[in-house]
Amino acid sequence: NAGVTQTPKFRVLKTGQSMTLLCAQDMNHEYMYWYRQDPGMGLRLIHYSVGEGTTAKGEVPDGYNVSRLKKQNFLLGLESAAPSQTSVYFCASGFVTHLPGLASDTQYFGPGTRLTVL
Amino acid sequence: ELKVEQNPLFLSMQEGKNYTIYCNYSTTSDRLYWYRQDPGKSLESLFVLLSNGAVKQEGRLMASLDTKARLSTLHITAAVHDLSATYFCAVDPNYGGATNKLIFGTGTLLAVQP
Repeated sequence: NAGVTQTPKFRVLKTGQSMTLLCAQDMNHEYMYWYRQDPGMGLRLIHYSVGEGTTAKGEVPDGYNVSRLKKQNFLLGLESAAPSQTSVYFCASGFVTHLPGLASDTQYFGPGTRLTVL
Repeated sequence: ELKVEQNPLFLSMQEGKNYTIYCNYSTTSDRLYWYRQDPGKSLESLFVLLSNGAVKQEGRLMASLDTKARLSTLHITAAVHDLSATYFCAVDPNYGGATNKLIFGTGTLLAVQP
């Protein structure tokens, strides 16, 4: 199993350009997430999905859009890139058990995409 | 709004020494996660703590959770250089039922010196 993969690994954009980051997982997880990691700020949740065809906003959704057309894929789009979106982007997947007292699995992270916006 | 604070932010320690990283969070939660990140790499899951008093150990690392104090600790015993990394705690803000929408701390950069 490849786990969680991300494409591309690196990208440089000019202000105003658009791009899409692709995340794929082969673990049949229902939940998928997009985070950004900035120095000194840990990871912050951008958007997430609890299943195919669903998306929801996280902590820092502005300037990003997402789509989950297939269960195994989660796309993150930047319509008009800004320098403030320079960051490392991580995708993650996982599942959640809703029954009280049962273990909730952890999230599995992809290798990251380093994005620079000039 | 849930806030997750880790301290120290940076820890330089000698091989063979013991130390503890603290993770405090601001609202009630009963799910806490610890991750490790090596430089330029992704995050690796270390521990999942799901109830008050939970304690888990793996090698030289031991994690515990006190939900009443809203505190988790990651204790390092007899540190070795291979433990050098950044350690993150993360909290699920929904008490009593997982959302798995994790709020991360800012991380603790651990450097183990020979």
